[in-house]
Amino acid sequence: AQSVTQLDSQVPVFEEAPVELRCNYSSSVSVYLFWYVQYPNQGLQLLLKYLSGSTLVKGINGFEAEFNKSQTSFHLRKPSVHISDTAEYFCAVMAGGYQKVTFGTGTKLQVIP
Amino acid sequence: SQTIHQWPATLVQPVGSPLSLECTVEGTSNPNLYWYRQAAGRGLQLLFYSVGIGQISSEVPQNLSASRPQDRQFILSSKKLLLSDSGFYLCAWRTGTWETQYFGPGTRLLVL
Repeated sequence: AQSVTQLDSQVPVFEEAPVELRCNYSSSVSVYLFWYVQYPNQGLQLLLKYLSGSTLVKGINGFEAEFNKSQTSFHLRKPSVHISDTAEYFCAVMAGGYQKVTFGTGTKLQVIP
Repeated sequence: SQTIHQWPATLVQPVGSPLSLECTVEGTSNPNLYWYRQAAGRGLQLLFYSVGIGQISSEVPQNLSASRPQDRQFILSSKKLLLSDSGFYLCAWRTGTWETQYFGPGTRLLVL
């Protein structure tokens, strides 16, 4: 079975400051990892994904994430946040050959002006 | 390009009433389809997924059911709604095992 843990339910950060949203996963097989963003009352939008290759993945809106197999982590980072980044962020994992994606409980990023 | 539609966008229903939420996908064929529920503070919970017409897998036993009468149509139903059915329901699709999952705009359901 696969699982995802997002330890931080809320992360407040000042505008133009860096941010890291943490994600840890567990799986007995190889995994594929995703970060999604959800703006209020909207569906989820893909930010970035790791399938294979380089462990540093760059996504939209200046976000990036690093896959760390030894620490089973896939933390999301942005060097300088904007007010428009205020949203909820979901980490997700899909184990190899599996039909479903498991999501974390989400982290609400609040950017303070 | 592919698009996914969900309706209605918002729904307020009394306890005990039936439910039917519809999801349709355009611009692709034979997608895998998914229903998720998002409740406050609980993240996304996978309810059902389907790999083809008439093929439904249930992840969580509960008051809901799903059907896929056509290739690009996925319906979430209930015969009698409970208060605990309130939440934000998201439909999603993808074309294959290794492909990205794309989400619809969601339906907010409030059961009173």
